[in-house]
Amino acid sequence: QLQLQESGPGLVKPSETLSLTCTVSGGSINSYHWGWIRQPPGKGLEWIGTIYYSGSTYYNPSLKSRVTISVDTSKNQFSLEVSSVTAADTAVYYCARYSNSAGDYWGQGTLVTVSS
Amino acid sequence: QSALTQPASVSGSPGQSITVSCTGTSSDVGGYNYVSWYQQHPDKAPKLMIYYVNNRPSGVSNRFSGSKSGNTASLTISGLQAEDEADYYCSSYTSSITYVFGTGTKVTVL
Repeated sequence: QLQLQESGPGLVKPSETLSLTCTVSGGSINSYHWGWIRQPPGKGLEWIGTIYYSGSTYYNPSLKSRVTISVDTSKNQFSLEVSSVTAADTAVYYCARYSNSAGDYWGQGTLVTVSS
Repeated sequence: QSALTQPASVSGSPGQSITVSCTGTSSDVGGYNYVSWYQQHPDKAPKLMIYYVNNRPSGVSNRFSGSKSGNTASLTISGLQAEDEADYYCSSYTSSITYVFGTGTKVTVL
């Protein structure tokens, strides 16, 4: 059974860079697209971006200038960086596998709070 | 990109059928059959319920069905059960090679 697990700091200071990693187990990261989605407390889902295992990336236009998604196939991991964070970036961040143009496997999510 | 429009809430009694709508544009919902639906219980990760407008992943009850007409997609839950009470989100592929989620709908079982 495929499993995804997000990891990274739960607290980030304003203006710094948020960094998260998603570790994929029970299957290979090779093939499929892999994505990041976030959900501010009490609000809806926001698609951040996806990466193909070969490295091609696609980003939400509203976040594109601050977001980088990368993949490390040797570690079966993919990562997210969001630069110059503000309180508005406080959210639960999910990683997911995209198959048939939908997120079919999701991580449990990790809360990242932006605060000094 | 703007979020797809969903009603804030929909309710129904056990056994009834309800429909959740998801309205976009010709650049997303109307332009592609890449609409998916997710169920999210409180403090849980979203769960895929429908992909490619009307396809159910293995293990999802056949009480859940999807459809699309023009720029509006719909999720229908038939034989409503208490366990169906959750938030539901639609999502669509877009002409910008991105994805967009809907605003979310809280389904309440009366």
